[in-house]
Amino acid sequence: QKEVEQNSGPLSVPEGAIASLNCTYSDRGSQSFFWYRQYSGKSPELIMFIYSNGDKEDGRFTAQLNKASQYVSLLIRDSQPSDSATYLCAVAYQGGSEKLVFGKGMKLTVNP
Amino acid sequence: DVKVTQSSRYLVKRTGEKVFLECVQDMDHENMFWYRQDPGLGLRLIYFSYDVKMKEKGDIPEGYSVSREKKERFSLILESASTNQTSMYLCASSVNPGVPDTQYFGPGTRLTVL
Repeated sequence: QKEVEQNSGPLSVPEGAIASLNCTYSDRGSQSFFWYRQYSGKSPELIMFIYSNGDKEDGRFTAQLNKASQYVSLLIRDSQPSDSATYLCAVAYQGGSEKLVFGKGMKLTVNP
Repeated sequence: DVKVTQSSRYLVKRTGEKVFLECVQDMDHENMFWYRQDPGLGLRLIYFSYDVKMKEKGDIPEGYSVSREKKERFSLILESASTNQTSMYLCASSVNPGVPDTQYFGPGTRLTVL
């Protein structure tokens, strides 16, 4: 069974803080990892993807991948109230071609 | 910008009815997907299609079928709707066949089966 696990949350941080969202996956052969953001009542939209071990930065967002530990995380620096949303981790499993397996999501609230 | 549209935002049907959910993308994407999203269960893949007339079952295909007669259009069919199919249905598309890629989602259809 291909599994993607996210902390159940919810996570609440003050404005300006760093929000850390974590995800683990079960297939050691996975190669591609995606973070989506979903505002309440809206559909998911891609924030960023990562393929290689290490960090990938895009503005206030940093994705971190550790394949040995089967762990991927998303850091949001200088969190803003507009970052309040549910964050979905998605993993492409080895041999799964175009398909992604999504975690259940973590709800983040940034308090002004 | 990629645009994925779905035929209805809200739909109410009765048990036993045949239900069609339509999805259209305008960016010539090869792959199209149907998911359902339920509280506590997350996004689950029902079916996907990697080419016209080609389809592959996802994780929860029971009670559903799909049709892709044209590249831009992917339909989800509930042959005989049941109350446990009440859910948010999301369509998505992605560019590259055979590789995992960014998926672009439509706005969703909230289906209620009474």
